[in-house]
Amino acid sequence: AQSVTQPDIHITVSEGASLELRCNYSYGATPYLFWYVQSPGQGLQLLLKYFSGDTLVQGIKGFEAEFKRSQSSFNLRKPSVHWSDAAEYFCAVGPNTGGFKTIFGAGTRLFVKA
Amino acid sequence: DAGVTQSPTHLIKTRGQQVTLRCSPKSGHDTVSWYQQALGQGPQFIFQYYEEEERQRGNFPDRFSGHQFPNYSSELNVNALLLGDSALYLCASSLPHGTVDETQYFGPGTRLLVL
Repeated sequence: AQSVTQPDIHITVSEGASLELRCNYSYGATPYLFWYVQSPGQGLQLLLKYFSGDTLVQGIKGFEAEFKRSQSSFNLRKPSVHWSDAAEYFCAVGPNTGGFKTIFGAGTRLFVKA
Repeated sequence: DAGVTQSPTHLIKTRGQQVTLRCSPKSGHDTVSWYQQALGQGPQFIFQYYEEEERQRGNFPDRFSGHQFPNYSSELNVNALLLGDSALYLCASSLPHGTVDETQYFGPGTRLLVL
């Protein structure tokens, strides 16, 4: 069965500390992988996506993600977190960059403490 | 460049009623998708409209229907509302299927509460 697991419901990090959000997926074919961020009262914003090529993908707002096929993982990282990064983060997997059959994880809520 | 807009922002209905949500796509986009995001969950795909027709559909009952207008804007209709329909409803627009990049751009959503 196709699925996305984000093991951490919420994470708290100090401002300036590094961040890693975990994502594991189960998918039959080679998937497109995505990370989205959702701030309160706002829709989803695409941080980055991966399909092929370099397994380390750079995104917006200083985020990056690494695809590890052997571990079926696509973890999101940021070297230094800012208070404005506090939000909900969603990992997603799908057959293309469009909507149909895109499966989202349940999300990880990031809290940033001063 | 206007992004995806949705209206209303919030809505309260009672069980059994019907609701219509509206979406205007990002400029230059002609494909609109609708998602339901229940509290504490990720979005779930409802359906996608292109050329005024429903092209793809997720696992949602027929109570959920939609429409796309010639200007590419779209409506989501839900009939016979259930308590479980309470959720954030997201609209996303994109370039048409088959385009090199079908990246979706999401609106802020409509929060529906069914009492």
